[in-house]
Amino acid sequence: AQTVTQSQPEMSVQEAETVTLSCTYDTSESNYYLFWYKQPPSRQMILVIRQEAYKQQNATENRFSVNFQKAAKSFSLKISDSQLGDTAMYFCAFMRPNFGNEKLTFGTGTRLTIIP
Amino acid sequence: EPEVTQTPSHQVTQMGQEVILRCVPISNHLYFYWYRQILGQKVEFLVSFYNNEISEKSEIFDDQFSVERPDGSNFTLKIRSTKLEDSAMYFCASSGEVAHEQYFGPGTRLTVT
Repeated sequence: AQTVTQSQPEMSVQEAETVTLSCTYDTSESNYYLFWYKQPPSRQMILVIRQEAYKQQNATENRFSVNFQKAAKSFSLKISDSQLGDTAMYFCAFMRPNFGNEKLTFGTGTRLTIIP
Repeated sequence: EPEVTQTPSHQVTQMGQEVILRCVPISNHLYFYWYRQILGQKVEFLVSFYNNEISEKSEIFDDQFSVERPDGSNFTLKIRSTKLEDSAMYFCASSGEVAHEQYFGPGTRLTVT
């Protein structure tokens, strides 16, 4: 079974600064996907970024980027130029591709607060 | 932009009552999921559904739970006899053929008293 670990329960950073959220995972699979989801106070789950394990290049989406280290089973999220709207819970998630059955396994989350 | 919708946004029910949580996935999606998040905890997988049958279910998804796609648009989760510990946020998600990305609905907060 896969496990996802987020070791930082809470983080805070000043607006406009850069922050990195950590995530490690454990799997015996060689092909998989990793995701970061954002959950603001509204509790909606919003997909932030996705990484395919077979791709060496780190995914980026505007101010969001990942540092994917497959050998170390590490998948951190970097938020550049942080904004007040980035305040949320962030969940790292693992998925083994299997059409029709692709459950997400989530970590326990990191509560990020952006300070004005 | 297409989105997953869920109704109701908040449901309060008494222990032992049946509840049905409703979801309308994105119209061209084929894979459907239910997840649960107890307040302050992580999101947990309940069940996946494809081609009108359950693909996988977790240990949480016991005989009290069932899912159904009664028509071409709705996807429902039924809890037959609710318990206090069923109080949680329930999320529906769907994905299409591409990209293995799941899109979540806004959730239904279920409170069992």
